[in-house]
Amino acid sequence: DQQVKQNSPSLSVQEGRISILNCDYTNSMFDYFLWYKKYPAEGPTFLISISSIKDKNEDGRFTVFLNKSAKHLSLHIVPSQPGDSAVYFCAALRGLSQNFVFGPGTRLSVLP
Amino acid sequence: NAGVTQTPKFRILKIGQSMTLQCTQDMNHNYMYWYRQDPGMGLKLIYYSVGAGITDKGEVPNGYNVSRSTTEDFPLRLELAAPSQTSVYFCASRRTGGASGANVLTFGAGSRLTVL
Repeated sequence: DQQVKQNSPSLSVQEGRISILNCDYTNSMFDYFLWYKKYPAEGPTFLISISSIKDKNEDGRFTVFLNKSAKHLSLHIVPSQPGDSAVYFCAALRGLSQNFVFGPGTRLSVLP
Repeated sequence: NAGVTQTPKFRILKIGQSMTLQCTQDMNHNYMYWYRQDPGMGLKLIYYSVGAGITDKGEVPNGYNVSRSTTEDFPLRLELAAPSQTSVYFCASRRTGGASGANVLTFGAGSRLTVL
């Protein structure tokens, strides 16, 4: 039973355009969400996070939106750059739990 | 600053063999984790530790053991390797406390294990 879902295995976007990566979760007890980026042969690296008390968090070209009623979050990358091509993982955390629950990832390709 | 270092990067094991994946971090983080990633799946938590001498099971602990004798090191032991343990293993750590970034995992580069 996947508690964190990323229903698009892959996404292709033209350089300079907006990339929107989506993530859905089923457990309403999750109260902290993170996005990680992963390049081949490397470990995931932290990108941006959001607490459930907020509905938006911005960091440069990256914005995460949280819709708690829909149990949905999205990562917007504007403008997209070829260096953004990677696998993006959504992760969720509940309270004091140590188990960060990860989605299966979405492979983003930014085309020059 | 090396961060989280994992060794080996690649290993091929025969069924029934055992081995230890090494993980060390130099950030003085109290919390450490072992995840595995199978193709098309998210990372699954195997074991975690909240400090030296304290470990606990995650979501998929069967077939693995861990120890935490120091803050820096968190080795993962595979006993009697099985094909189902073919995966990429990631070690991670995070700091504790109320400071910004306390909920952020820092990952190692991964160890790819194949059991034949």
